[in-house]
This record gives sequence, structure tokens and C-alpha cells, in this order.
Amino acid sequence: QVQLVESGGGVVQPGRSLRLSCAASGFTFSSYGMHWVRQAPGKGLEWVAVISYDGSNKYYADSVKGRFTISRDNSKNTLYLQMNSLRAEDTAVYYCAKFKSDCGDNCPKKMAVYSPLDYWGQGTLVTVSS
Amino acid sequence: QSALTQPRSVSGSPGQSVTISCTGTSSDVGGYNYVSWYQQYPGKAPKFMIYDVSKRPSGVPDRFSGSKSGNTASLTISGLQAEDEADYYCCSYAGSYTWLFGGGTKLTVL
Repeated sequence: QVQLVESGGGVVQPGRSLRLSCAASGFTFSSYGMHWVRQAPGKGLEWVAVISYDGSNKYYADSVKGRFTISRDNSKNTLYLQMNSLRAEDTAVYYCAKFKSDCGDNCPKKMAVYSPLDYWGQGTLVTVSS
Repeated sequence: QSALTQPRSVSGSPGQSVTISCTGTSSDVGGYNYVSWYQQYPGKAPKFMIYDVSKRPSGVPDRFSGSKSGNTASLTISGLQAEDEADYYCCSYAGSYTWLFGGGTKLTVL
């Protein structure tokens, strides 16, 4: 069965960096685009970033653009989120989620924008505090 | 990139129906039929319930249905059950390879 397991969260000071990982299993990881979504304590979901199946295309929410980098290692079935210049408002549970379906090279930017997020990890908590 | 607008809370008695709205703009909800809905219990990961506005993935009861009119999508839950009490989020593709979520709606089963 599909499993997504996030790790790497913790307490970090403002301005510092942290890298999150999402280990995938139970599906052909290299065939699917992936998202990061976050949820601040007591708040709603916020889309953070997306990456195409092969890692060639990446897009970000304005709130993290220029500070966060999404990447993937298909040989390790792992998705990453490098978070730099962290701010208090980045405090949240970070979830990785997979595309329900994908289109390979047959879509613009290799991104199945029509695809919902069908499986989610359990999340990892990032707390930015001095 | 403003969040889609959902009511903060809705409620209903067992057996009744409730509808949760999700209002966006012509650049997101109104511009694409790529609206999905997620159910989330406290402390748990979201669960995928509806996609492409009105399609149900396998395993989701047919009590859950989705629709859209203009810039507003809706999730209707009929025959309410106690286990439906949760938070619900809509999500829409918003163009330029970005996605938007709604602010979330807390469903209370009275």
C-alpha cells in the first residue's frame, strides 16, 4: 500500500535552515508529481510547492518563493523540502502528498494539474522560535 | 494567492444533509474543473474525498457529493453520520502551476 513518511521536523531559530524528507513506498515514485502542503497550528491547509515526476519543474507559493526549494531523488524514492531563512510564520505541520495520476511527458511542464492529492503522509512539525 | 472562502462551521443532525461551500474566483474555482475536497480528523492527515468537482474515489461513500456553479464549489453530505464530524477543505488548481486551499469548515454532527 502507498506510504509517505515525512521526517526532519523540529525546533529551529528564525533565520536558520531545515531540510524535510518524505520517504515514499508502495507505488512507482518516479512516475508521479509530488506536493508539499503545510498547516499552521489550529489553521487551515496551505499549498507550499510542487515538483514534476522527474524533478525538472518546480513551483512555489508566493509565501515561500526564494526561501524554500523542493527536490526529489527518484533513486531513493524520497522527496525533499529545503527551507532557508525560516520565519515564525513558517511554523506548521508539513505534509507531502502525491498526485493521483500523472501524464509523464504528455503535459505542459510535465505537470498533471488536473490531478488531486490522493495520498498524504502523517506530517512533520516544524517550529520556528528563538 | 488568497485562500478560497469556506464557512468556518456547519452543523446538522444525524440523517440530515449539509452543504459546505467553497468560493473562489474565475482564476481558480471558476476557471477549472479541478476542485477536490479533503476530510481531516484532529491530529490526522487529510483524506481525499472528491476530485474533478464531483467524482468520488473508490471507498468514499456515495453520501458525499460535489458540484460547482460559477466560482463556487460545494460539498454535500447526505444521511449525516457521527463519523462525518471532521474538518473539510476544498482545493482548486489556480493556474500557473499553483494550488489554493480553502480555509476549512468544521462540521459538527449534533
